[in-house]
Amino acid sequence: KAGVTQTPRYLIKTRGQQVTLSCSPISGHRSVSWYQQTPGQGLQFLFEYFSETQRNKGNFPGRFSGRQFSNSRSEMNVSTLELGDSALYLCASIRSGGHEQFFGPGTRLTVL
Amino acid sequence: GEDVEQSLFLSVREGDSSVINCTYTDSSSTYLYWYKQEPGAGLQLLTYIFSNMDMKQDQRLTVLLNKKDKHLSLRIADTQTGDSAIYFCAESRGGSYIPTFGRGTSLIVHP
Repeated sequence: KAGVTQTPRYLIKTRGQQVTLSCSPISGHRSVSWYQQTPGQGLQFLFEYFSETQRNKGNFPGRFSGRQFSNSRSEMNVSTLELGDSALYLCASIRSGGHEQFFGPGTRLTVL
Repeated sequence: GEDVEQSLFLSVREGDSSVINCTYTDSSSTYLYWYKQEPGAGLQLLTYIFSNMDMKQDQRLTVLLNKKDKHLSLRIADTQTGDSAIYFCAESRGGSYIPTFGRGTSLIVHP
């Protein structure tokens, strides 16, 4: 079974721009969560989607948004990028009825 | 303070055992996890333990849970250079199962 995939793997943007990141969960997994990882703050939970609905949300500003499609693929969007948004963005999926999160390789976003 | 705390660094000699420690604050934690992250990669789930267990062994890995003290440890037997990575402790509760992560312990294995 293929693992969680994320595209693109690397992105460079400038302040003020917006960015969209994509995550494809493991086949059959319906829950997708997003995390931001930085050296200063560690791993912080952004949001979780299940069956196209946001089920849980972390403590991030409204510039961070996401969605999930009927095939469980998920995207997250960051608008009006700031330097502090530079981070590794990780997505993870869980199978229905399970509890273990399986992570993708991440998207490294650099904001200049 | 942090919900899940870990020491930042651990250095061991190849062939020795490594013990990575973690403390957490939530007494209603259902599952406790250990993840491994290698440079440039995502997190890999190594093992987990249910909160009503006190020990779990999986090949070279041994997880010990002291629920009274809210203390979790991961022992890696016969540590190899390939074990060099950052190890994250995490806990989750029933319902959402969204884990709360510690800051990670950087394990350095030297010859």
